[in-house]
Amino acid sequence: SAVISQKPSRDICQRGTSLTIQCQVDSQVTMMFWYRQQPGQSLTLIATANQGSEATYESGFVIDKFPISRPNLTFSTLTVSNMSPEDSSIYLCSVAQGAHSDTQYFGPGTRLTVL
Amino acid sequence: GENVEQHPSTLSVQEGDSAVIKCTYSDSASNYFPWYKQELGKRPQLIIDIRSNVGEKKDQRIAVTLNKTAKHFSLHITETQPEDSAVYFCAAGGGADGLTFGKGTHLIIQP
Repeated sequence: SAVISQKPSRDICQRGTSLTIQCQVDSQVTMMFWYRQQPGQSLTLIATANQGSEATYESGFVIDKFPISRPNLTFSTLTVSNMSPEDSSIYLCSVAQGAHSDTQYFGPGTRLTVL
Repeated sequence: GENVEQHPSTLSVQEGDSAVIKCTYSDSASNYFPWYKQELGKRPQLIIDIRSNVGEKKDQRIAVTLNKTAKHFSLHITETQPEDSAVYFCAAGGGADGLTFGKGTHLIIQP
């Protein structure tokens, strides 16, 4: 499977600021996704990062709050904007690979704490 | 949209015994059902998956069964070992869609 890295691995931010998380893959992949995992909870899909076009957001997530870029087939960013303590979570990117292009592998995650 | 229910939320078994975790899904269009294991502080790791054209799949001590008619699928771990202790998530999806996850099962292996 692809090697996936995320930066930063963790950060502590002040309320009202923004943080951009990077996801880098060592090979070209068609599908990239962003998920959120709140403390002690399951994973929730934020959006599909589409290469060359706007991301596709799930219900409850909007572009103004979580802008996403996907400039090429190996890289994507997620920005968490105007942060509040409720945004404290682990943010994970995933890539889909395999014969059916639906097998998802996760990056190591970015642990975000908002004060 | 898809909704995935997972039970139980916590499962404690004696080392060497079997563990079974069950999930149901709502969207009949879902055709891909992976299981992930997540250890504390680590990323979810894919341990096994099954597609809707198959009823059962096995990989050493781990097996997954799928009943498309009833929209449920299960994870079976036999001969459990201490290193099996973790949180297990089922998920449903398919194609170019992202995954919808169950709430997770905390599996505890008692020595």
